[in-house]
Amino acid sequence: GEDVEQSLFLSVREGDSSVINCTYTDSSSTYLYWYKQEPGAGLQLLTYIFSNMDMKQDQRLTVLLNKKDKHLSLRIADTQTGDSAIYFCAEMPWGGYNKLIFGAGTRLAVHP
Amino acid sequence: GAGVSQSPSNKVTEKGKDVELRCDPISGHTALYWYRQRLGQGLEFLIYFQGNSAPDKSGLPSDRFSAERTGESVSTLTIQRTQQEDSAVYLCASSPQDRGLETQYFGPGTRLLVL
Repeated sequence: GEDVEQSLFLSVREGDSSVINCTYTDSSSTYLYWYKQEPGAGLQLLTYIFSNMDMKQDQRLTVLLNKKDKHLSLRIADTQTGDSAIYFCAEMPWGGYNKLIFGAGTRLAVHP
Repeated sequence: GAGVSQSPSNKVTEKGKDVELRCDPISGHTALYWYRQRLGQGLEFLIYFQGNSAPDKSGLPSDRFSAERTGESVSTLTIQRTQQEDSAVYLCASSPQDRGLETQYFGPGTRLLVL
Protein backbone atom coordinates (compact mmCIF):
# COMPACT_ATOMS: atom_id res chain seq x y z
CA GLY A 1 0.00 0.00 0.00
CA GLU A 2 0.91 3.62 -0.14
CA ASP A 3 2.19 5.31 3.00
CA VAL A 4 4.19 8.45 3.73
CA GLU A 5 5.73 9.03 7.14
CA GLN A 6 7.31 12.08 8.73
CA SER A 7 8.49 13.02 12.19
CA LEU A 8 5.93 15.27 13.81
CA PHE A 9 8.03 18.04 15.29
CA LEU A 10 11.35 19.83 14.75
CA SER A 11 12.77 22.74 16.71
CA VAL A 12 15.73 24.78 15.44
CA ARG A 13 17.52 27.98 16.32
CA GLU A 14 17.19 30.93 14.00
CA GLY A 15 20.05 30.95 11.49
CA ASP A 16 20.69 27.22 11.73
CA SER A 17 19.81 24.71 9.03
CA SER A 18 16.64 22.62 9.33
CA VAL A 19 16.36 19.12 7.92
CA ILE A 20 12.92 17.57 7.61
CA ASN A 21 12.79 13.90 6.72
CA CYS A 22 10.19 11.77 5.01
CA THR A 23 9.92 8.11 4.06
CA TYR A 24 7.53 6.59 1.57
CA THR A 25 6.64 3.08 0.56
CA ASP A 26 5.56 3.25 -3.07
CA SER A 27 8.62 2.62 -5.22
CA SER A 28 6.65 3.60 -8.32
CA SER A 29 6.27 7.19 -7.17
CA THR A 30 6.92 9.57 -10.03
CA TYR A 31 7.07 12.91 -8.25
CA LEU A 32 7.70 13.85 -4.64
CA TYR A 33 6.66 17.17 -3.18
CA TRP A 34 7.17 19.45 -0.23
CA TYR A 35 4.29 21.70 0.78
CA LYS A 36 4.24 24.36 3.52
CA GLN A 37 1.17 25.16 5.58
CA GLU A 38 1.04 28.30 7.69
CA PRO A 39 -1.72 28.88 10.25
CA GLY A 40 -5.01 29.77 8.58
CA ALA A 41 -3.54 29.45 5.11
CA GLY A 42 -3.75 26.88 2.39
CA LEU A 43 -0.92 24.60 1.40
CA GLN A 44 1.83 26.28 -0.54
CA LEU A 45 3.93 24.23 -2.91
CA LEU A 46 7.59 24.71 -1.97
CA THR A 47 9.35 22.40 -4.35
CA TYR A 48 9.14 19.03 -6.00
CA ILE A 49 11.56 16.47 -7.37
CA PHE A 50 11.18 13.92 -10.11
CA SER A 51 11.99 10.37 -9.09
CA ASN A 52 14.97 10.06 -11.44
CA MET A 53 16.76 12.92 -9.70
CA ASP A 54 18.67 12.70 -6.44
CA MET A 55 19.01 16.35 -5.58
CA LYS A 56 17.34 19.63 -6.33
CA GLN A 57 18.35 23.04 -5.01
CA ASP A 58 16.22 26.16 -5.01
CA GLN A 59 17.66 29.13 -3.12
CA ARG A 60 17.61 28.17 0.58
CA LEU A 61 15.90 24.85 -0.10
CA THR A 62 17.69 21.61 -0.92
CA VAL A 63 15.79 18.40 -1.61
CA LEU A 64 17.61 15.09 -1.41
CA LEU A 65 16.06 11.87 -2.68
CA ASN A 66 17.40 8.42 -1.89
CA LYS A 67 15.25 6.22 -4.06
CA LYS A 68 16.83 2.99 -2.85
CA ASP A 69 15.86 3.76 0.75
CA LYS A 70 12.68 5.62 -0.27
CA HIS A 71 13.83 8.59 1.77
CA LEU A 72 13.23 12.23 0.99
CA SER A 73 14.57 15.21 2.90
CA LEU A 74 14.12 18.96 2.81
CA ARG A 75 16.94 21.16 4.04
CA ILE A 76 16.26 24.80 4.79
CA ALA A 77 19.43 26.86 5.08
CA ASP A 78 19.62 29.88 7.40
CA THR A 79 16.22 29.12 8.92
CA GLN A 80 14.16 32.20 9.78
CA THR A 81 11.16 32.71 12.07
CA GLY A 82 9.02 33.05 8.95
CA ASP A 83 9.84 29.44 8.14
CA SER A 84 7.83 28.29 11.16
CA ALA A 85 5.01 26.20 9.71
CA ILE A 86 3.94 22.63 9.05
CA TYR A 87 5.78 20.94 6.21
CA PHE A 88 4.09 18.12 4.30
CA CYS A 89 5.82 15.55 2.20
CA ALA A 90 3.67 14.07 -0.58
CA GLU A 91 4.14 11.51 -3.31
CA MET A 92 2.42 10.99 -6.61
CA PRO A 93 2.27 7.28 -7.40
CA TRP A 94 2.73 6.06 -10.95
CA GLY A 95 -0.61 6.35 -12.69
CA GLY A 96 -1.93 8.44 -9.82
CA TYR A 97 -2.10 11.65 -11.75
CA ASN A 98 -5.23 12.61 -9.96
CA LYS A 99 -4.16 12.46 -6.34
CA LEU A 100 -1.29 12.98 -3.95
CA ILE A 101 -0.49 10.84 -0.91
CA PHE A 102 0.47 13.05 2.01
CA GLY A 103 2.39 12.50 5.21
CA ALA A 104 1.02 13.80 8.52
CA GLY A 105 3.27 16.86 8.41
CA THR A 106 6.26 18.08 10.42
CA ARG A 107 5.76 21.14 12.59
CA LEU A 108 8.88 23.32 12.40
CA ALA A 109 9.40 25.74 15.27
CA VAL A 110 12.13 28.35 14.89
CA HIS A 111 13.33 30.04 18.06
CA PRO A 112 15.77 32.94 18.60
CA GLY B 1 -4.58 36.94 -9.75
CA ALA B 2 -7.09 35.28 -7.45
CA GLY B 3 -6.22 31.95 -5.95
CA VAL B 4 -8.48 29.09 -4.99
CA SER B 5 -11.20 30.27 -2.64
CA GLN B 6 -13.41 28.24 -0.35
CA SER B 7 -16.49 29.04 1.68
CA PRO B 8 -17.41 29.06 4.40
CA SER B 9 -14.07 29.31 6.17
CA ASN B 10 -15.60 27.78 9.30
CA LYS B 11 -18.75 25.73 9.79
CA VAL B 12 -20.22 24.40 13.01
CA THR B 13 -23.13 22.03 12.66
CA GLU B 14 -25.10 19.55 14.69
CA LYS B 15 -24.78 15.84 14.20
CA GLY B 16 -27.27 14.61 11.62
CA LYS B 17 -27.49 17.85 9.66
CA ASP B 18 -26.36 18.22 6.04
CA VAL B 19 -23.58 20.64 5.07
CA GLU B 20 -22.44 22.04 1.77
CA LEU B 21 -18.93 23.30 1.16
CA ARG B 22 -17.97 25.41 -1.81
CA CYS B 23 -14.79 25.71 -3.83
CA ASP B 24 -14.00 28.33 -6.48
CA PRO B 25 -11.00 27.14 -8.47
CA ILE B 26 -8.54 29.33 -10.29
CA SER B 27 -10.08 30.44 -13.57
CA GLY B 28 -9.07 28.17 -16.43
CA HIS B 29 -8.01 25.27 -14.25
CA THR B 30 -9.50 22.09 -15.61
CA ALA B 31 -8.69 19.81 -12.68
CA LEU B 32 -10.19 20.14 -9.21
CA TYR B 33 -9.49 18.06 -6.12
CA TRP B 34 -11.05 17.72 -2.68
CA TYR B 35 -8.99 16.55 0.30
CA ARG B 36 -9.80 16.10 3.97
CA GLN B 37 -7.33 16.89 6.75
CA ARG B 38 -8.13 15.54 10.18
CA LEU B 39 -6.44 17.07 13.21
CA GLY B 40 -2.77 16.15 13.32
CA GLN B 41 -2.93 14.12 10.14
CA GLY B 42 -1.99 14.50 6.53
CA LEU B 43 -4.41 15.11 3.71
CA GLU B 44 -6.69 12.35 2.50
CA PHE B 45 -7.78 12.42 -1.11
CA LEU B 46 -11.56 12.49 -1.54
CA ILE B 47 -12.53 13.19 -5.14
CA TYR B 48 -11.09 14.51 -8.40
CA PHE B 49 -12.74 16.27 -11.33
CA GLN B 50 -11.10 16.70 -14.72
CA GLY B 51 -13.03 18.67 -17.30
CA ASN B 52 -16.16 16.86 -18.36
CA SER B 53 -14.82 13.39 -17.58
CA ALA B 54 -16.44 11.21 -14.95
CA PRO B 55 -15.02 12.15 -11.54
CA ASP B 56 -12.72 9.85 -9.59
CA LYS B 57 -14.69 9.26 -6.41
CA SER B 58 -12.40 6.57 -5.03
CA GLY B 59 -11.51 8.55 -1.90
CA LEU B 60 -15.01 9.33 -0.67
CA PRO B 61 -15.33 7.64 2.75
CA SER B 62 -19.03 6.83 2.58
CA ASP B 63 -22.17 7.40 0.52
CA ARG B 64 -22.98 10.35 2.76
CA PHE B 65 -20.32 12.27 0.84
CA SER B 66 -20.93 13.60 -2.65
CA ALA B 67 -19.54 16.34 -4.82
CA GLU B 68 -20.54 18.13 -7.96
CA ARG B 69 -18.82 20.37 -10.42
CA THR B 70 -20.36 22.08 -13.40
CA GLY B 71 -17.90 22.28 -16.26
CA GLU B 72 -14.68 23.91 -15.13
CA SER B 73 -16.22 26.13 -12.51
CA VAL B 74 -17.39 25.95 -8.92
CA SER B 75 -17.54 22.69 -7.03
CA THR B 76 -19.63 21.81 -4.00
CA LEU B 77 -18.90 19.02 -1.54
CA THR B 78 -21.99 17.83 0.33
CA ILE B 79 -21.95 15.79 3.50
CA GLN B 80 -25.31 14.37 4.49
CA ARG B 81 -26.30 13.35 8.01
CA THR B 82 -22.99 14.61 9.42
CA GLN B 83 -21.21 12.61 12.09
CA GLN B 84 -18.65 13.79 14.63
CA GLU B 85 -15.89 11.94 12.79
CA ASP B 86 -16.55 14.21 9.80
CA SER B 87 -14.97 17.07 11.75
CA ALA B 88 -11.91 18.12 9.79
CA VAL B 89 -10.55 20.76 7.45
CA TYR B 90 -11.75 20.22 3.91
CA LEU B 91 -9.27 21.47 1.33
CA CYS B 92 -9.86 22.11 -2.31
CA ALA B 93 -7.12 22.36 -4.92
CA SER B 94 -7.14 23.11 -8.64
CA SER B 95 -4.67 22.45 -11.38
CA PRO B 96 -4.30 23.78 -14.90
CA GLN B 97 -3.72 20.36 -16.41
CA ASP B 98 -4.99 16.86 -15.89
CA ARG B 99 -1.67 15.54 -14.64
CA GLY B 100 -1.33 18.15 -11.94
CA LEU B 101 2.36 17.46 -11.68
CA GLU B 102 3.77 20.33 -9.73
CA THR B 103 0.80 22.59 -9.93
CA GLN B 104 -1.93 21.73 -7.46
CA TYR B 105 -2.93 25.06 -5.95
CA PHE B 106 -4.72 24.80 -2.62
CA GLY B 107 -7.40 26.95 -1.07
CA PRO B 108 -7.40 27.91 2.62
CA GLY B 109 -9.87 25.19 3.52
CA THR B 110 -13.19 24.96 5.33
CA ARG B 111 -12.94 23.97 8.97
CA LEU B 112 -15.93 21.78 9.81
CA LEU B 113 -16.90 20.99 13.37
CA VAL B 114 -19.74 18.56 14.00
CA LEU B 115 -21.13 18.73 17.53
